[in-house]
Amino acid sequence: QKEVEQNSGPLSVPEGAIASLNCTYSDRGSQSFFWYRQYSGKSPELIMFIYSNGDKEDGRFTAQLNKASQYVSLLIRDSQPSDSATYLCAVNIYSGGGADGLTFGKGTHLIIQP
Amino acid sequence: ETGVTQSPTHLIKTRGQQVTLRCSSQSGHNTVSWYQQALGQGPQFIFQYYREEENGRGNFPPRFSGLQFPNYSSELNVNALELDDSALYLCASSLPSGGLDQETQYFGPGTRLLVL
Repeated sequence: QKEVEQNSGPLSVPEGAIASLNCTYSDRGSQSFFWYRQYSGKSPELIMFIYSNGDKEDGRFTAQLNKASQYVSLLIRDSQPSDSATYLCAVNIYSGGGADGLTFGKGTHLIIQP
Repeated sequence: ETGVTQSPTHLIKTRGQQVTLRCSSQSGHNTVSWYQQALGQGPQFIFQYYREEENGRGNFPPRFSGLQFPNYSSELNVNALELDDSALYLCASSLPSGGLDQETQYFGPGTRLLVL
């Protein structure tokens, strides 16, 4: 059974600091990993995806993947109050024989304190 | 904005009724997935449609059904509504390429369903 675990928070970070969000997954067959941001009352918005071990940077965001440890993280540099949201980690197994859909964690509620 | 649209935005139904939710995919995207998000939870995969056929299904009962049309738009139908069906229903579109990026999914704004 596929499981994705996230600390629900809230995670409180001062403005301008680095926010670190973590996610672990249970299925070693997971091949693609996604971070979505969800503001209250809104739908999830894709921030980044990562497939290979290591780091992937996009602006203030860095995704880190360690398949051996079944761990994926998201770093947000120079945190802004507008980054306050729930961050959802999602994983997918590409079986080639049909879609399993994305498996999501429950999300981490991030609060950036001005 | 992702270009994925959903209707209606909000809906109130009574237990036992039936509901149809609609989704138009992002231009060029031929695959539509549906998710249910209960309050305080992450989205849960209901099913996916590709080339007008169900391409995969999560752990949802048969009273959850769907359709995809030639223009790639999609419907989610839920029969015999239960109180626990109250949730945000999300549609996501993607463009399978046969590679690892085939499940990069872009969500619409969602339909919030309340069952009384």
